[in-house]
Amino acid sequence: AQSVTQLGSHVSVSEGALVLLRCNYSSSVPPYLFWYVQYPNQGLQLLLKYTSAATLVKGINGFEAEFKKSETSFHLTKPSAHMSDAAEYFCAVSHSNTGNQFYFGTGTSLTVIP
Amino acid sequence: EPEVTQTPSHQVTQMGQEVILRCVPISNHLYFYWYRQILGQKVEFLVSFYNNEISEKSEIFDDQFSVERPDGSNFTLKIRSTKLEDSAMYFCASSEWGGYGYTFGSGTRLTVV
Repeated sequence: AQSVTQLGSHVSVSEGALVLLRCNYSSSVPPYLFWYVQYPNQGLQLLLKYTSAATLVKGINGFEAEFKKSETSFHLTKPSAHMSDAAEYFCAVSHSNTGNQFYFGTGTSLTVIP
Repeated sequence: EPEVTQTPSHQVTQMGQEVILRCVPISNHLYFYWYRQILGQKVEFLVSFYNNEISEKSEIFDDQFSVERPDGSNFTLKIRSTKLEDSAMYFCASSEWGGYGYTFGSGTRLTVV
């Protein structure tokens, strides 16, 4: 079975501080892992994805995530938060063995404090 | 960059009415999906479609729901008799193969009154 757990439904950081959004996955086979961002009243925008190539994945807007198999984690980080980063972030897992459907986490709402 | 296009962006319908949500997937993609996000909740899988048939569906996708690819370009989700609890954002997605090249549309917000 595939699933993801996002620890912390709400995260607040100061502008310029490190952003760390946590995601742990459960998968019986090597997974594909994704982070999506959703701004208010908008759709899902892909930030980055891991598909069994490099374990450190760089995405858009300065975000990156590291796939750690030993920890079954795929945490999202950004060295310096910007006000425009305030949004909802979703981690998702997929694999071709599951019909390629995505299993999303419950999301983490990021607030950036000026 | 190719996009998945969904129309309308917002639809309001009366309870009990039929509604059709439309999607135009990326042209060379072979797999098509619908997802739903109830306000404040996570995105949930509804159905996947490949080779002109449903390949997988969740327990949410009951007999009130159906999907169709009527003309080789559009991919539609029909809700036969809408209920208040069908109010949600509905996302269409398409992919080339596997989980690769998976692209979501910007969503249709359905409000059932």
